Amino acid sequence: DAGVIQSPRHEVTEMGQEVTLRCKPISGHDYLFWYRQTMMRGLELLIYFNNNVPIDDSGMPEDRFSAKMPNASFSTLKIQPSEPRDSAVYFCASQPRRLDGLGETQYFGPGTRLLVL
Amino acid sequence: AQTVTQSQPEMSVQEAETVTLSCTYDTSESDYYLFWYKQPPSRQMILVIRQEAYKQQNATENRFSVNFQKAAKSFSLKISDSQLGDAAMYFCAYSPTGNQFYFGTGTSLTVIP
Repeated sequence: DAGVIQSPRHEVTEMGQEVTLRCKPISGHDYLFWYRQTMMRGLELLIYFNNNVPIDDSGMPEDRFSAKMPNASFSTLKIQPSEPRDSAVYFCASQPRRLDGLGETQYFGPGTRLLVL
Repeated sequence: AQTVTQSQPEMSVQEAETVTLSCTYDTSESDYYLFWYKQPPSRQMILVIRQEAYKQQNATENRFSVNFQKAAKSFSLKISDSQLGDAAMYFCAYSPTGNQFYFGTGTSLTVIP
């Protein structure tokens, strides 16, 4: 398996522009997570999906952020309009569901480094 | 509230020596999961080791081992025979359900040749 795939790896944009980050989870994983990492706030969970359904989006900072998972193999995180304070590394992670219902490891993608000028 | 505390922002170790990274967490749950992730300069998050709270035996993965003290809510990572490739940011993570992860602020480890 190629692991979690994220694109683009780097994104530079100007304030006010729309930004779309993409994620392909590991095949067969039921859960998908979006995180944001900054020096000031560390690693924050933005939203996560279970079987393509958003379960908890309480970490989404504001209405400018939206996430979708139209199918089991693809998710997007969109920022519209983008602002300089959105500059961060955005990680996507996927997680399988264990048959015994117990916790399982999250597998992270390489991240997208976003810079909003 | 679930919190994870890593009190050592930076640590250094001589190559081939042993280093221990500290992590404490706050929870009222009895069953949960603990993880250590490594983040090298490439920024990718890599799982190092995991521990289930119901298991008393400390997890071990090659040169990496943990000291899990449930009563003290402590979960430290020991790296033996440190190698240059171990240099990275290390994050401790707590998960009450297996889905929600709470991360510490990280410890930056430098390995001195």
